[in-house]
This record gives sequence, C-alpha cells and structure tokens, in this order.
Amino acid sequence: TQLLEQSPQFLSIQEGENLTVYCNSSSVFSSLQWYRQEPGEGPVLLVTVVTGGEVKKLKRLTFQFGDARKDSSLHITAAQPGDTGLYLCAGAYLGNEKLTFGTGTRLTIIP
Amino acid sequence: DAGITQSPRHKVTETGTPVTLRCHQTENHRYMYWYRQDPGHGLRLIHYSYGVKDTDKGEVSDGYSVSRSKTEDFLLTLESATSSQTSVYFCAISGGDGEAFFGQGTRLTVV
Repeated sequence: TQLLEQSPQFLSIQEGENLTVYCNSSSVFSSLQWYRQEPGEGPVLLVTVVTGGEVKKLKRLTFQFGDARKDSSLHITAAQPGDTGLYLCAGAYLGNEKLTFGTGTRLTIIP
Repeated sequence: DAGITQSPRHKVTETGTPVTLRCHQTENHRYMYWYRQDPGHGLRLIHYSYGVKDTDKGEVSDGYSVSRSKTEDFLLTLESATSSQTSVYFCAISGGDGEAFFGQGTRLTVV
C-alpha cells in the first residue's frame, strides 16, 4: 500500500501567524493536489503541482512540490480564521490512476 | 462547481441489510471514485472506475461492490451492511489529470 503521510496531524495557531504543513511519500507522484475540506462538505481542490521544484501561490497560500516529486508543502502566511479546515494532500502515482489521499492536517486559526 | 450528486445524503440501516449509494455526474468525466472518511483515517479509496463497466479495487474494498453501466452513474453497494461500515462516503470524479471533484457526501449509519 502506498502511503501519503501528512504532518502535523493537528495544528492550532493564532491569527496572523505563519504555518507550514507537509505531505510525504516514498513513491514518486505524477501529480499532487492539495484540498481543503470544511465540516459537512466534500474536499475542494486548491491546487495541482506537476513539475519537480514547482512553486504555486494562491493569495496567502504557497505550495511547493519537491524536486524528486515525492513530497510537498503548504505554507500559509498571516493565517486568518477563514483558513480553518482540514487540509488534504492527494497524489496519483506514476503508472497508477488511483488517487491516494493523506490523512490530513486539521488546522484551527484562533481569532 | 462540478456537476456531481450523491444520493441519499443520509441513511440509517440495519445490520445485514443491503444498501446502495448512488453517484451521478453531468461532467462526462472518465474516472469516478468512492471513498470513505473516518476519524483518524482520512479518505480511503474503496473502488474506482476508469470507464463504463471498468472498475478496480481500492485499499478498503472488502464488503463493497460497485457498478458503472453508464458514464454518468457509479453505484456503491454494501451487500450486507455491518457496523464497521458506518462512515461518511464520498464520490469523486476526475478527467484523468489527477484533479478530483467531490460530491457532498453520504452519511451512513448501520445499527
């Protein structure tokens, strides 16, 4: 079974602070996605990264794909209460159409 | 928003009874997925489909079967529901680029 490990599992910080969450695997991804999920809803796609070393920015969120395409990080600058949610990474491994999800990071931003 | 609908949204059923969950899409996407989401486990893949009548198992397929007779519909059946299958079930669709769009989820309780 191919595993996607996310860390930390839980994170609670004050509004205005910065944070980084990580997604790691021992296998190479053909692409990797980050999703955010709010209670009672399905996950919503935030970004896709494809190229090793790629960096994408979405307002205060910065996503980075590792050079070897085995890991990724999500950095949030000046966190806001609206950033609260479950952040999931997901990947499709080379030669495999299954979309595998990490266990998620539950983020709480305290006003 | 991607056109994807799950039904029912909530269901309570008794142990030993068969249950079928339906996922319907209007996007004509090739790939469809069924996941279950439980605390501490993230999203786990049950089965997926890569075309009409083409399906494959995920990591937690025991006790579940699927069918896809039309591009737009993907059915998940619990042949004989057990309490361990109490969960939130999500359907997702993808055009094959790794980006998935999710339904609202079905909360299933087996008593």
